[in-house]
Amino acid sequence: EAGVTQSPTHLIKTRGQQATLRCSPISGHTSVYWYQQALGLGLQFLLWYDEGEERNRGNFPPRFSGRQFPNYSSELNVNALELEDSALYLCASSPPFNPDTQYFGPGTRLTVL
Amino acid sequence: SQQGEEDPQALSIQEGENATMNCSYKTSINNLQWYRQNSGRGLVHLILIRSNEREKHSGRLRVTLDTSKKSSSLLITASRAADTASYFCATGDTGRRALTFGSGTRLQVQP
Repeated sequence: EAGVTQSPTHLIKTRGQQATLRCSPISGHTSVYWYQQALGLGLQFLLWYDEGEERNRGNFPPRFSGRQFPNYSSELNVNALELEDSALYLCASSPPFNPDTQYFGPGTRLTVL
Repeated sequence: SQQGEEDPQALSIQEGENATMNCSYKTSINNLQWYRQNSGRGLVHLILIRSNEREKHSGRLRVTLDTSKKSSSLLITASRAADTASYFCATGDTGRRALTFGSGTRLQVQP
């Protein structure tokens, strides 16, 4: 069974640009989650999508947004990039029958110059 | 914000020894999970323990949960060099689904 996949592996942008990160959940999983792991700040919850809807949002500004597609894959968009957005962005998914366990992908390393 | 702290922040042991990591949290929880992260890559789910459970085993892993003290411990027995990684506890809320992670313990297992 394939795990959660994320693309790209690495992404380099400059301040003010937009970044788009992609995630494909494990087959059969309907919920997708996004987390940010920034140096010194630890792992922080960003967003939860389920059945195409945003269900919960962490303490991040509106320039962090995303969506979930009908095939349950998801995009995370970060607008007006700032230097402090440099981080590892992790996507996770969970199945509808066991929503408490989240399975993580390998992450996208975003560097903002 | 971090839910709690993990102790110790770093741990170095010899192969074959046991490793114990502790996690404290602040609020009521539905469940607590432990994850492993190798060299800044993705997280690997190790074990989940629910608030009504006190102890759980999975292979060489043993997790305990004390809800009265708001703490949990992860024991890795007979450690191997491949266990070298950072270990995080995460508390969950079934309704909100946002995992709140501890600061992590960096484990180094010397061959």
